Formats: sequence, structure tokens, C-alpha cells
Amino acid sequence: LAKTTQPISMDSYEGQEVNITCSHNNIATNDYITWYQQFPSQGPRFIIQGYKTKVTNEVASLFIPADRKSSTLSLPRVSLSDTAVYYCLVKAAGNKLTFGGGTRVLVKP
Amino acid sequence: DVKVTQSSRYLVKRTGEKVFLECVQDMDHENMFWYRQDPGLGLRLIYFSYDVKMKEKGDIPEGYSVSREKKERFSLILESASTNQTSMYLCASSLGTGGAETQYFGPGTRLLVL
Repeated sequence: LAKTTQPISMDSYEGQEVNITCSHNNIATNDYITWYQQFPSQGPRFIIQGYKTKVTNEVASLFIPADRKSSTLSLPRVSLSDTAVYYCLVKAAGNKLTFGGGTRVLVKP
Repeated sequence: DVKVTQSSRYLVKRTGEKVFLECVQDMDHENMFWYRQDPGLGLRLIYFSYDVKMKEKGDIPEGYSVSREKKERFSLILESASTNQTSMYLCASSLGTGGAETQYFGPGTRLLVL
């Protein structure tokens, strides 16, 4: 059965790097890993997407090991406005879209 | 910018009522999705559609139906609302070309069933 798991919560301080790992042991061979950010009372918003190795954009980096059974979202130098819930999304074998349970990140001053 | 809109931000309905949640996207996307979001359970897929008049069950379709008569519009229907359907409902769309598919979400509808 497809299982996508992430830590429930994570605390950090302003200026620190936050790393959130998602385990997806049944990811489909040809599918991408996508991460979303969600603020209260809003829909999730796309942050970053990757297939393998490392992807970087203006807000985050995504690290994917060779076996692709996990991925790590890295938020460099977080600020208070990065307080949100972060979700990973993968497509598992059988074409089944699966969100992780979400990681609540609290950034403290 | 992709825009996904949902007909209501908040809804209060009574048990047994028929409820319609509407979702519209303006980017000619092929795929549309309905999720529900509950504390501790994350996002769970109810139904999705990859073309007009086509639909596929997600993880939790029981108690729901959907309709996609036009490409831009995807409706979620609760035939007879029950209290356990109190939740946040999120609609999303994606381009539908296969491969890397980014989903764009609406703001959500918070439904309370009394």
C-alpha cells in the first residue's frame, strides 16, 4: 500500500535552515515529487518539484536520493512568514496520488 | 496566473440536505480534483476528472458524487449531507500533459453540517 509520511511538526528560529523529510516508499517509477505550502484558510500553494538529485529555486531546495524513496525539502534562513504546513505529494504505483500528512512548521523570533 | 475559484468560502447545511460545491478554473486545465482536509488526516482525494464527463474515484468517494459537464467546472455533490462530512473541501486543477503535474488549488470551502 502506498504510504507517504512526514513529521507532524517542527519548530525553528528565524534565520535557521529547516529540513523536512518525506518518505514515499512506493513512488511510481516515472513520477515527480512535489511540495506545497499551506497557510491557514488558504489552499496549498506549489513550492518546488523534482524527479531526482537536487532542485533549487528562489524559495527552497529539494533533495532526492538515488532510490527516490524519500525527499527532503530545505528552506534556507526561514522567517516568521514561513510558518505554515508543508505537504509532499507523490504519485505511487498504480497511478495513485498521495499527499503526506503535512508538517506544521513554526518559526519563532 | 492560474485561478481556481470555489463558489463559497463557508457553508452551513443541515443533515440530509443535498449540497453542491462548485469549482471553476480559468486556465483550460484538463485535470480537476476534489479533496477534503481534516485535522490530523491531511488532504484526502475524493474524486478527480481528467476530461469532460469523465470521473475517477479517489480514496474516499463514499457519500459523494461529481459532475463535469464543462471543462472549466467541476462540481462536488453531497447527495444527503451527514455530520461526518463537516470538513474543509479543496478543489484543484492541473494541466494534464502527464509527467510533472503541478496542482493549483482554490481557497477552500469550509462546510459545517448540523
